[in-house]
Amino acid sequence: NAGVTQTPKFQVLKTGQSMTLQCAQDMNHEYMSWYRQDPGMGLRLIHYSVGAGITDQGEVPNGYNVSRSTTEDFPLRLLSAAPSQTSVYFCASSRGGVASGANVLTFGAGSRLTVL
Amino acid sequence: GIQVEQSPPDLILQEGANSTLRCNFSDSVNNLQWFHQNPWGQLINLFYIPSGTKQNGRLSATTVATERYSLLYISSSQTTDSGVYFCAVQRVGAGANNLFFGTGTRLTVIP
Repeated sequence: NAGVTQTPKFQVLKTGQSMTLQCAQDMNHEYMSWYRQDPGMGLRLIHYSVGAGITDQGEVPNGYNVSRSTTEDFPLRLLSAAPSQTSVYFCASSRGGVASGANVLTFGAGSRLTVL
Repeated sequence: GIQVEQSPPDLILQEGANSTLRCNFSDSVNNLQWFHQNPWGQLINLFYIPSGTKQNGRLSATTVATERYSLLYISSSQTTDSGVYFCAVQRVGAGANNLFFGTGTRLTVIP
């Protein structure tokens, strides 16, 4: 199994450009989420989804949109990129959602985004 | 949100030494996980441990939920143990599925 696959691994954008970070999992996980990792700040939750058609905001949602049309895919969209969105982005999934107390997060390899 | 503090922030060990990493959290939790981020950036789950003690090879973890802390023990450290160790928690009764991460402990194991 591939697990959680993120594309692209690296991306450079100019301020104001839009792009989509792709995330796909093949484990039939209901829960998927996006985190960003900045130096010295750990990982912060951007958006999450508990199943197809259901999404919600995390800790730092501003400037990002998500959708979940299938169980497998959870893309993250930047509509108008800003330098403050320069970061490493991680997609993660788990079987039934962390709220159920027994679900371990599996992470993708990360996508490094630079906004000039 | 819940506060998660990890200590020490940095740790340098000689290969073969033992170490203890600590995670303090500010509220009751029903989910606590330890992760290792290797030098290439990959995040790997080490333990799901909201309470009690677990062991996996040279690694073990203990969470004392009533006192709001968790410890990760690494014995006979190896250079492959280098990287950043994160503790992540979910507060009881919080908005669904928010897992809060600490800022990590960066471990360097010297041959």
